[in-house]
Amino acid sequence: SQTIHQWPATLVQPVGSPLSLECTVEGTSNPNLYWYRQAAGRGLQLLFYSVGIGQISSEVPQNLSASRPQDRQFILSSKKLLLSDSGFYLCAWSQDPSGANVLTFGAGSRLTVL
Amino acid sequence: GIQVEQSPPDLILQEGANSTLRCNFSDSVNNLQWFHQNPWGQLINLFYIPSGTKQNGRLSATTVATERYSLLYISSSQTTDSGVYFCAVERTGGFKTIFGAGTRLFVKA
Repeated sequence: SQTIHQWPATLVQPVGSPLSLECTVEGTSNPNLYWYRQAAGRGLQLLFYSVGIGQISSEVPQNLSASRPQDRQFILSSKKLLLSDSGFYLCAWSQDPSGANVLTFGAGSRLTVL
Repeated sequence: GIQVEQSPPDLILQEGANSTLRCNFSDSVNNLQWFHQNPWGQLINLFYIPSGTKQNGRLSATTVATERYSLLYISSSQTTDSGVYFCAVERTGGFKTIFGAGTRLFVKA
């Protein structure tokens, strides 16, 4: 069966420091991969999605970037964090040849920027 | 882009009560999902339902794609049903799944 792992689960970072969140999927190949952000008490905002290695689509201009160095690995990064980058970051994957793009989420990474 | 509106934004129920959550969307979709987010933040897929009706235990969902809405029914609610319920849609021809703002449900014992 397929599983998705995200880490770290929680982190507290100072303003201006770098960020790296990692997501990996097991038990499948060539998944679609997604990064979402959830601000406190609000809905999910799509940040990036990827349909293959090295293929990244950005949804909103921001202080973050994403990379997909391997088929089942998706990384969210920042060179210098801002206070507004605080939030709950969720990685998700989907795959269905018939087009049923059913999302499955990781447990999330909670980021606090001070 | 496609707009997704959920109602009500907040809902308080007595344990054992029934409820209906609504999701309206502004464009044709080829994918609609309902999720439950528990108090620890984990998102669980409840239904994949681009059209028609599905049931899973005390939960059921109906999507009327031609009228651009979906309903999630919760019967005999339990305290463990508390959390936030999200509707998420993928517009026809796209890869992007867009979420509504959610309905926050609290079930009192």
